[in-house]
Amino acid sequence: DSGVTQTPKHLITATGQRVTLRCSPRSGDLSVYWYQQSLDQGLQFLIHYYNGEERAKGNILERFSAQQFPDLHSELNLSSLELGDSALYFCASSVVEGSAGELFFGEGSRLTVL
Amino acid sequence: QKEVEQDPGPLSVPEGAIVSLNCTYSNSAFQYFMWYRQYSRKGPELLMYTYSSGNKEDGRFTAQVDKSSKYISLFIRDSQPSDSATYLCAMIRFNNNDMRFGAGTRLTVKP
Repeated sequence: DSGVTQTPKHLITATGQRVTLRCSPRSGDLSVYWYQQSLDQGLQFLIHYYNGEERAKGNILERFSAQQFPDLHSELNLSSLELGDSALYFCASSVVEGSAGELFFGEGSRLTVL
Repeated sequence: QKEVEQDPGPLSVPEGAIVSLNCTYSNSAFQYFMWYRQYSRKGPELLMYTYSSGNKEDGRFTAQVDKSSKYISLFIRDSQPSDSATYLCAMIRFNNNDMRFGAGTRLTVKP
């Protein structure tokens, strides 16, 4: 158990809908990262927050947004969903700001868009 | 061309075999190199972490980095069925928060 909690574990929804994925980092970790994992693209970095502030953006679509709250949990919002958004979404946390430190991954949220 | 290339396999070996997993990369700015292991329906977990060129050993696992060739490897000695998982290489530039992952190689070790 990495100590990172993600909910929901599975989510099935329709195209055009909006969903929110939630992540609770390990106790004491200030950095939260979001990754998307699909069969053909591997693990793609989406966004990084450190202590409530956005630190870096990767290949995150404009339809996606995220935030980190004062209690350090994070939410990833996916809107106007398309079939291609079906993937595993992972949250990872780290005690340090830079991810040169070890990343601890949650078990992921599997999103299926029908 | 992707920044990090990794053969997705699948790779199947008999128990006790030596496994070699590899990644190549194109960006010479990458300074930190990692191998993550991902079991089915689980998140990736850090297996090995290296900074400099050369070898790093941890039990049955050896990570090798050749910065001049932009090539990293993970060797698993005396492979066990419990090693069956997807292995992802990862790398990051100094002072950068954007960790790049390879596609992952799916390994099966048969008893």
